[in-house]
Amino acid sequence: AQSVTQLGSHVSVSEGALVLLRCNYSSSVPPYLFWYVQYPNQGLQLLLKYTSAATLVKGINGFEAEFKKSETSFHLTKPSAHMSDAAEYFCAVSGSFRGSTLGRLYFGRGTQLTVWP
Amino acid sequence: NAGVTQTPKFQVLKTGQSMTLQCAQDMNHEYMSWYRQDPGMGLRLIHYSVGAGITDQGEVPNGYNVSRSTTEDFPLRLLSAAPSQTSVYFCASCAMYSGANVLTFGAGSRLTVL
Repeated sequence: AQSVTQLGSHVSVSEGALVLLRCNYSSSVPPYLFWYVQYPNQGLQLLLKYTSAATLVKGINGFEAEFKKSETSFHLTKPSAHMSDAAEYFCAVSGSFRGSTLGRLYFGRGTQLTVWP
Repeated sequence: NAGVTQTPKFQVLKTGQSMTLQCAQDMNHEYMSWYRQDPGMGLRLIHYSVGAGITDQGEVPNGYNVSRSTTEDFPLRLLSAAPSQTSVYFCASCAMYSGANVLTFGAGSRLTVL
């Protein structure tokens, strides 16, 4: 079975500071891992995804995440926070359907990022 | 290209009423799904479909029905609304090729059951 744990439901940083959002997963199959972002009153948008190629994945808006199999982690980072990064972030791991990993994602509970001026 | 379109955006129901949340996509995606989002709970899968005529249950299917008569549409039906179904509902779709799994989400439908 697949599951995701996001450590910290709220993270606050100052503008220009490092952003680190933590995600640990469990999966019975080689996982696909994702980070999505949700701005207020909007749907989710894909930030980045890991699909077993490079372990360091670069996404949009300067975010990146590193897949660490030994730690079952997929933490999201950004070197310098911007006010526009304030949003809720969700980590997700792929499930399986009849042997395929198609589509079925298991989401963490989300981390609300606040950026202070 | 509209992507995933959900209607209505907002709805207020009384306990026991029925309604249908509509979802349509114009990307020819075979896979479509419905999630509900509740504070502190993340997104939980309600039902999903891998093609016309094929649906299956997700994590929290009770109280909801779905059907998939066309590739484009995947409506979610609440037969007898309950206050516990107050939530934000998201429809999401993706193409059926291995390794993709990149869901495209609709903007959401906020449902309140009184």
